[in-house]
Amino acid sequence: GENVEQHPSTLSVQEGDSAVIKCTYSDSASNYFPWYKQELGKGPQLIIDIRSNVGEKKDQRIAVTLNKTAKHFSLHITETQPEDSAVYFCAASRNDYKLSFGAGTTVTVRA
Amino acid sequence: EPEVTQTPSHQVTQMGQEVILRCVPISNHLYFYWYRQILGQKVEFLVSFYNNEISEKSEIFDDQFSVERPDGSNFTLKIRSTKLEDSAMYFCASQGGGVLTSYQETQYFGPGTRLLVL
Repeated sequence: GENVEQHPSTLSVQEGDSAVIKCTYSDSASNYFPWYKQELGKGPQLIIDIRSNVGEKKDQRIAVTLNKTAKHFSLHITETQPEDSAVYFCAASRNDYKLSFGAGTTVTVRA
Repeated sequence: EPEVTQTPSHQVTQMGQEVILRCVPISNHLYFYWYRQILGQKVEFLVSFYNNEISEKSEIFDDQFSVERPDGSNFTLKIRSTKLEDSAMYFCASQGGGVLTSYQETQYFGPGTRLLVL
């Protein structure tokens, strides 16, 4: 089955700096890669996703890149703000829809 | 904005007891999932459900687990005889309305039920 590895496990950045989280996946048939943000006491919330026919996608301060050849994808958050502090999960899926998650990255934005 | 709800938020039970975790998916969605997250570990897929039947289940989802959609709105996960290792956060997710094309649709997660088996 699919195995998703996520790094780093924790990330501390100064407010205004950028944060980058990287994930690799094992199943070359995976074609959908969402990123979820989980705040304390809440369920994972989708923040951005990318499909295998696209190499990069951007939504305001958040961007995701995908390298299908290397089987890795990354989340980039620019101009970080205190409200970006949360746990971020990457995931991968084939058309069978179930998500395989990375282990999560705890991001702390220092004011 | 529509959201997935789950009850209870916390459940404490004795080993061997049955528990039922409840979820109300987004109303026009057709695909439903249960995931769990043991403390400090990854979120793991348990089961997917479509058209009133299980479409896929993981190795974790053994005979002690069952799911149903009894009334067309609630989606439940039952654990018949809980074990200590069932202690985890359980997330329900719902996805999609209508015919899915080559595009994957977003899975919307509920806030989770924290289950503690003593």
